[in-house]
Amino acid sequence: SYELTQPPSVSVSPGQTASITCSGERLREKYISWHQKKPGQSPVMVIYEDRERPSGIPERFSGSNSGNTATLTIRGTQAMDEADYYCQAWDSSAVVFGGGTKLTVL
Amino acid sequence: QVQLQESGPGLVKPSETLSLTCAISGTSISTYFWTWIRQPPGKGLEWIGHIDYSGRTNYNPSLKSRVTISVDTSKIQFSLKLNSVTAADTAAYYCARVISGSYFIASWGQGTLVTVSS
Repeated sequence: SYELTQPPSVSVSPGQTASITCSGERLREKYISWHQKKPGQSPVMVIYEDRERPSGIPERFSGSNSGNTATLTIRGTQAMDEADYYCQAWDSSAVVFGGGTKLTVL
Repeated sequence: QVQLQESGPGLVKPSETLSLTCAISGTSISTYFWTWIRQPPGKGLEWIGHIDYSGRTNYNPSLKSRVTISVDTSKIQFSLKLNSVTAADTAAYYCARVISGSYFIASWGQGTLVTVSS
């Protein structure tokens, strides 16, 4: 089955840029979305189709997908961005998630 | 605005069947893949399976023998049944909408915690 690999954790200082990667075989051939998950809340999509941002998501969130790696970038990271982030793809008629990355803002 | 709302028992006994329903509002039931996802405590997101408006399904191979997802177009809702549950099935369960073509999860329900315990 298809696998997406994310780093378990990423730390960033407030106001700095956070980058979270998602790796998978031939990932560039697939669309990637990113979902933010805070404790006790349902996930929220922050990026879809690799780099598109839904309405209501701050401009500091951006995405890219090249080669075998997709990246979620958060510029000017704020304390409210502390959360788990999951990349998501579609393979063989199934939803595939990465293992999730805990973003700590400190 | 699309809204999804899960409902069902929050406590299920071991070996019994977990049953959840997801009510859909703000969109038609056609075109999309209607999906169930869960998150066990302290773990990541796990895709359970999905159904399209015509009733075609696909399930996670690890759960396939125990899962049934169905859709009721007249009530604009879809359902999950997971039988022979164990403590390992304790999780927050989410229903979600997947966009055809790009295949991304565009909408999530608020989630419901289901505990398996006697």
